[in-house]
Amino acid sequence: GQSLEQPSEVTAVEGAIVQINCTYQTSGFYGLSWYQQHDGGAPTFLSYNALDGLEETGRFSSFLSRSDSYGYLLLQELQMKDSASYFCAVKDDYKLSFGAGTTVTVRA
Amino acid sequence: DVKVTQSSRYLVKRTGEKVFLECVQDMDHENMFWYRQDPGLGLRLIYFSYDVKMKEKGDIPEGYSVSREKKERFSLILESASTNQTSMYLCASWDPDGGTYGYTFGSGTRLTVV
Repeated sequence: GQSLEQPSEVTAVEGAIVQINCTYQTSGFYGLSWYQQHDGGAPTFLSYNALDGLEETGRFSSFLSRSDSYGYLLLQELQMKDSASYFCAVKDDYKLSFGAGTTVTVRA
Repeated sequence: DVKVTQSSRYLVKRTGEKVFLECVQDMDHENMFWYRQDPGLGLRLIYFSYDVKMKEKGDIPEGYSVSREKKERFSLILESASTNQTSMYLCASWDPDGGTYGYTFGSGTRLTVV
């Protein structure tokens, strides 16, 4: 089975940088994904890391270390619209297994 | 843009009823998934399908079944609804040859069983 751990809540001010860590234990591993979900909305795909290293997409970056079973999502230049829940998810062949999610609250 | 449409946004059903949740995607994706989302538990996979008439159990299939008679439609069935099946249900689709690793989710069906 899969087990993923991420912090439940993070609060930061506008313009700050937030890092959401994700550690996982899996029976199979193809890659680590990140999804964003606003209140009442559908989860939307942010990034995917299959190999070790950093992937940058605008203000968001995602990192993976396969040897440490660890990844993180980095949110830079935080904006109010970044207030949402963020989920890490392990891809195992066809399936995605999700963590419990991290609620990010951005304060003015 | 891929669209995943779930037929109902909110549903209220009685204990013991048979409940059908419908999901339709418009981009010819092979893979479709049903998740339920509960506070503090994230998204948990109920069933998935990688082809018409093919289905695989996810992590929490008990009390559920699925049907995929056409490629674009994936139905989740609660054989006899119980109060512990009150939850948000999310459908998703994905094409492994589509050039993206991201699933596309529907907006969800919030089911309340009373």
